[in-house]
Amino acid sequence: GENVEQHPSTLSVQEGDSAVIKCTYSDSASNYFPWYKQELGKGPQLIIDIRSNVGEKKDQRIAVTLNKTAKHFSLHITETQPEDSAVYFCAATNNNAGNMLTFGGGTRLMVKP
Amino acid sequence: KAGVTQTPRYLIKTRGQQVTLSCSPISGHRSVSWYQQTPGQGLQFLFEYFSETQRNKGNFPGRFSGRQFSNSRSEMNVSTLELGDSALYLCASSLRQGGGTDTQYFGPGTRLTVL
Repeated sequence: GENVEQHPSTLSVQEGDSAVIKCTYSDSASNYFPWYKQELGKGPQLIIDIRSNVGEKKDQRIAVTLNKTAKHFSLHITETQPEDSAVYFCAATNNNAGNMLTFGGGTRLMVKP
Repeated sequence: KAGVTQTPRYLIKTRGQQVTLSCSPISGHRSVSWYQQTPGQGLQFLFEYFSETQRNKGNFPGRFSGRQFSNSRSEMNVSTLELGDSALYLCASSLRQGGGTDTQYFGPGTRLTVL
């Protein structure tokens, strides 16, 4: 089955700096890669997703890049703000697995004002 | 549109008991998936229901089961509770208009504590 590894497990940045979180996956058939943000006491919130037919996607301060050859994808957050502090999860799945997302272990991002 | 709702939000049970959790998907969404979140194992897929049928199942024992009703609402049941079942149980809904992958939206979860 699919295996997703996520690094780093914790990340501390100064407000205004950029943050990068990286994930690798094992199943070359994986073709959908969502990113979720989870705040304390809440469920994961989808922040951006990318499909394997594109290499990069951007939404304001958030971008995701995908390298299918190397089987890794990354989340980039620019101009970080204290409200970006949360746990971020990457995930992967493919057409055969449907909605069965395999998640990375999570990254706790702390943005210091 | 209202988001995914889950009830109850918190639950305390004792070992050996059984529990039923409920999930109402976003209006118009036809698929409901369940996930277990623990500090040790992270987020793990339990099962997905679509058109009242289980479509996929994760690597969990048979004590974990679920069902979906004709209005797409779903319930999951855990029988003979063990201490290790203490977790946040998350429900996610998606449109499921066709085959392939789908964008999933999560509810706030039910925090289950087994004593």
